[in-house]
Amino acid sequence: GAGVSQSPSNKVTEKGKDVELRCDPISGHTALYWYRQSLGQGLEFLIYFQGNSAPDKSGLPSDRFSAERTGGSVSTLTIQRTQQEDSAVYLCASSRGSGNTIYFGEGSWLTVV
Amino acid sequence: AQSVSQHNHHVILSEAASLELGCNYSYGGTVNLFWYVQYPGQHLQLLLKYFSGDPLVKGIKGFEAEFIKSKFSFNLRKPSVQWSDTAEYFCAVSRNNNDMRFGAGTRLTVKP
Repeated sequence: GAGVSQSPSNKVTEKGKDVELRCDPISGHTALYWYRQSLGQGLEFLIYFQGNSAPDKSGLPSDRFSAERTGGSVSTLTIQRTQQEDSAVYLCASSRGSGNTIYFGEGSWLTVV
Repeated sequence: AQSVSQHNHHVILSEAASLELGCNYSYGGTVNLFWYVQYPGQHLQLLLKYFSGDPLVKGIKGFEAEFIKSKFSFNLRKPSVQWSDTAEYFCAVSRNNNDMRFGAGTRLTVKP
């Protein structure tokens, strides 16, 4: 696609429910990143995929968070048993390779009530 | 801990004032350095980047940044800000051609 596409753009969920957020990176981009941006906070790194290498999961805040990337393209971020503190904008970004300019999607706004 | 530090959380300037936003990182080895900007209601976009060569890099909209290796710094500057520069600015560092880590961001408010 022309840009990084994320869905849903907005999600309101009840505490305790699971949510899945999807990211479709720019075609041909081998690197894919997930970040979280909370109100008044900066960009918190969550996870990074590069090609077929094992992902860098060092930023995932708890074991309720997981992500996968199928076929080296689309990625899904899953949050299990959501908590109110999970409310944030979840941003996906991709780049041609590691170390290069990354391009962001519009983000998925998650509100846990 | 290895990190990217932006010292100013919120900067308020009048139009035509000069701007300098600090960014320091604590990673060793090869780094690629970036500044991203997020205008109100918009998504993050690249302002400028440094990979190698001249440590003074020029970006869009009159912004520039200087890489000082000895100080592990990559400060963003603009000689004369405009109201339209009101945005949040993020410094980012890619370590050893690996993942990308961001600073906490600096909110810039330019008063007309």
